[in-house]
Amino acid sequence: EAQVTQNPRYLITVTGKKLTVTCSQNMNHEYMSWYRQDPGLGLRQIYYSMNVEVTDKGDVPEGYKVSRKEKRNFPLILESPSPNQTSLYFCASSLSAGRRDEQYFGPGTRLTVT
Amino acid sequence: AQKVTQAQTEISVVEKEDVTLDCVYETRDTTYYLFWYKQPPSGELVFLIRRNSFDEQNEISGRYSWNFQKSTSSFNFTITASQVVDSAVYFCALSVTNTGNQFYFGTGTSLTVIP
Repeated sequence: EAQVTQNPRYLITVTGKKLTVTCSQNMNHEYMSWYRQDPGLGLRQIYYSMNVEVTDKGDVPEGYKVSRKEKRNFPLILESPSPNQTSLYFCASSLSAGRRDEQYFGPGTRLTVT
Repeated sequence: AQKVTQAQTEISVVEKEDVTLDCVYETRDTTYYLFWYKQPPSGELVFLIRRNSFDEQNEISGRYSWNFQKSTSSFNFTITASQVVDSAVYFCALSVTNTGNQFYFGTGTSLTVIP
């Protein structure tokens, strides 16, 4: 089944404790992206990747890191989480960014930072 | 700068009514793509439609229709004869091709269809 998976789905952590949210897709997609969803703000793009070893900042990259060592994986790293990073996070992938193909979204990760 | 505005935060309609969700976008690029996504109460994001800036034809898919008007920078979404299953948050999104590979989402419209 074609899908984007994220782990964990729910996470409660404390300020400053490094964490990684994994994202994996099995569709051989070139483009992958991370978004955060906050009430009243919609979805905002954090980082995206056009292909392996190619990443770029979205609108709200501060406090986040990403890497794209393999085509299928695109982990989101919070090296020192803060309460303002409490949010619902979505990973997405699409076949090709150049053609602006539809994005397939993962199920979301709800992160709470206390 | 790119921007998507969904001015309607929440809409409630009675089942079988028609409803239009507004989307206004801003970009100076001549080549861009517009999207609609649906987020039902279960939380997943579901792709509905993609339109490029060179294709102003309106589209109909069952009870759903989309009206793209470059003159007013709008890409509105109409649900005809709404059903309870249409209750969801709907997001409009924009992606331009000349200034990067980002996607810009609106703040969403929460639609409630009352039985």
